[in-house]
Amino acid sequence: AQSVTQPDIHITVSEGASLELRCNYSYGATPYLFWYVQSPGQGLQLLLKYFSGDTLVQGIKGFEAEFKRSQSSFNLRKPSVHWSDAAEYFCAVARLGNTPLVFGKGTRLSVIA
Amino acid sequence: EAQVTQNPRYLITVTGKKLTVTCSQNMNHEYMSWYRQDPGLGLRQIYYSMNVEVTDKGDVPEGYKVSRKEKRNFPLILESPSPNQTSLYFCASRRSMNTEAFFGQGTRLTVV
Repeated sequence: AQSVTQPDIHITVSEGASLELRCNYSYGATPYLFWYVQSPGQGLQLLLKYFSGDTLVQGIKGFEAEFKRSQSSFNLRKPSVHWSDAAEYFCAVARLGNTPLVFGKGTRLSVIA
Repeated sequence: EAQVTQNPRYLITVTGKKLTVTCSQNMNHEYMSWYRQDPGLGLRQIYYSMNVEVTDKGDVPEGYKVSRKEKRNFPLILESPSPNQTSLYFCASRRSMNTEAFFGQGTRLTVV
């Protein structure tokens, strides 16, 4: 069974610093990949998605992610973090067939001044 | 506005009292799912539906029921809630299996 791993449970960065959140998946074929953000008390909002083509994808709020097939990774990056980016971030994979998304356990991002 | 609507947003109930959490989407999506979110465990699938009258178990279906009588609605039913079902629940819909999911705002359920 495929799975999604987010190795970092909690990350703290300073405002203005760069950010990279890691995501690794195990899957037998090229999956569809997603990053979602959940602000406190809110639902999940899509940041970006990868289906095919250019392996560097741009999303909302200045985020980008790079798909690396050789490393089975889809890491999320942002060059300069803002305090409003403090939230929980989830990586997700779409399996082939008629099944729901599979989510990682999430990475909580704290931003300090 | 395209959206997934869950009700109620907050619910406190007692053990054994049947409850239903409603979910409705206005995007004519084929796929709908229920997840529960618990600290340290992320989002886990409860049930999903590929179309009207077609449902299947996810990873944690015990203690839950669903139905899909209409395309837009996908209620989650707890016939006899127990305290271990205290959680944050999300409904989601997708147009097809290779598109993103749209989430409701969540339902925070407490069973005492």
